[in-house]
Amino acid sequence: KAGVTQTPRYLIKTRGQQVTLSCSPISGHRSVSWYQQTPGQGLQFLFEYFSETQRNKGNFPGRFSGRQFSNSRSEMNVSTLELGDSALYLCASSSLGDDGELFFGEGSRLTVL
Amino acid sequence: GDSVTQMEGPVTLSEEAFLTINCTYTATGYPSLFWYVQYPGEGLQLLLKATKADDKGSNKGFEATYRKETTSFHLEKGSVQVSDSAVYFCALMDTGRRALTFGSGTRLQVQP
Repeated sequence: KAGVTQTPRYLIKTRGQQVTLSCSPISGHRSVSWYQQTPGQGLQFLFEYFSETQRNKGNFPGRFSGRQFSNSRSEMNVSTLELGDSALYLCASSSLGDDGELFFGEGSRLTVL
Repeated sequence: GDSVTQMEGPVTLSEEAFLTINCTYTATGYPSLFWYVQYPGEGLQLLLKATKADDKGSNKGFEATYRKETTSFHLEKGSVQVSDSAVYFCALMDTGRRALTFGSGTRLQVQP
């Protein structure tokens, strides 16, 4: 079956702008989570959604937000972009029966200039 | 809070050498433990996992044993190949919270 699909794969924004990233989970998976990967901070958990509800949230400012739709697709939004938001944003999906196994997409690489 | 510490890289080995990447963790509960691998330009792939103490995860010749007494989950492979060159991440997921805490990653370079 198809894997986790993230769009766009690459994008460039300038400081102060906002960005929306999209994630389509594996068919049948209802949990979607987001991670930020940077050289300095490594991989950090942003948030997790299940059945359109945010269940868990990492330690990021309110500029980072997300949502999940009824078809389990998810979007994350970053407003008022800062240079430090440049990162690879990874989406992962899972079904509840997988003992916690997350399936990751290839990521969206955001560059903020 | 939860944390994962893994050895600094890069680790450079010759083909067919033995590999060990150390990983230790701190967690308040009884986490599940994972090793993920990231190849250049790609996302993360689950390599192996263990969900309780003394479990051994294995896949593609890689192994790791969940050691509760030493809070460790070291990754081993008996004979590495050039195709194993990648970044390896140790991670934990605490019970009831579907959020992974990752180590900093260890880059493995295997030379022919």
